[in-house]
Amino acid sequence: DVVMTQSPLSLPVTLGQPASISCRSSQSLVYSDGNTYLNWFQQRPGQSPRRLIYKVSNRDSGVPDRFSGSGSGTDFTLKISRVEAEDVGVYYCMQGIRWPGSFGQGTKVEIK
Amino acid sequence: EVQLVESGGGLVQPGGSLRLSCTASGFTFSSYAMSWVRQAPGKGLEWVSGISGSDGSTHYTDAVKGRFTISRDNSKNTLYLQMNSLRAEDTAVYYCVGGGWACPFWGQGTLVTVSS
Repeated sequence: DVVMTQSPLSLPVTLGQPASISCRSSQSLVYSDGNTYLNWFQQRPGQSPRRLIYKVSNRDSGVPDRFSGSGSGTDFTLKISRVEAEDVGVYYCMQGIRWPGSFGQGTKVEIK
Repeated sequence: EVQLVESGGGLVQPGGSLRLSCTASGFTFSSYAMSWVRQAPGKGLEWVSGISGSDGSTHYTDAVKGRFTISRDNSKNTLYLQMNSLRAEDTAVYYCVGGGWACPFWGQGTLVTVSS
């Protein structure tokens, strides 16, 4: 199975400051079609998860442009350029290249 | 607007059974893989089972193999999860996830509690 490892697991951030979450996979997430199947999800308190980013760097519709994804192979990063109050929650990376799909442990973003 | 509405959760005794349902709307259900993802209280996300939209092939995580069965009825735009021999560790919110293996669409979740 592909293991996804996130860091840090807790991220206190000052409003308006940037935040960065790292995600590493135990195997390359590059598929035979050339795509890299790494997604990012946000789960606000009391809500269902919501996809933010797919295939490493593509923002979903309605996702603010302060969110960006980058990386390749086995190392990936989610960045928030300026954290806002509504960004509080838990963020998960997920690989979709091999069954079973697997999630990282989650990174809890909170305001200092 | 895409909607995924789960039902069927509840309290069940260890060893019991439950059947979860998920009714989809707002996208071409039959064209996409569908999945169940669960979240134990205070824990992270775990992919439980998935079913292909093209050939109906199914997948299960090891923890539920032989106990859970995923199925779909494309004529009713509905996804199912039959859960047998339930254990305390199956207690979680179960999310219906759709739109393919990249999980773009999520339901609100249904709580399954396994306890005597």
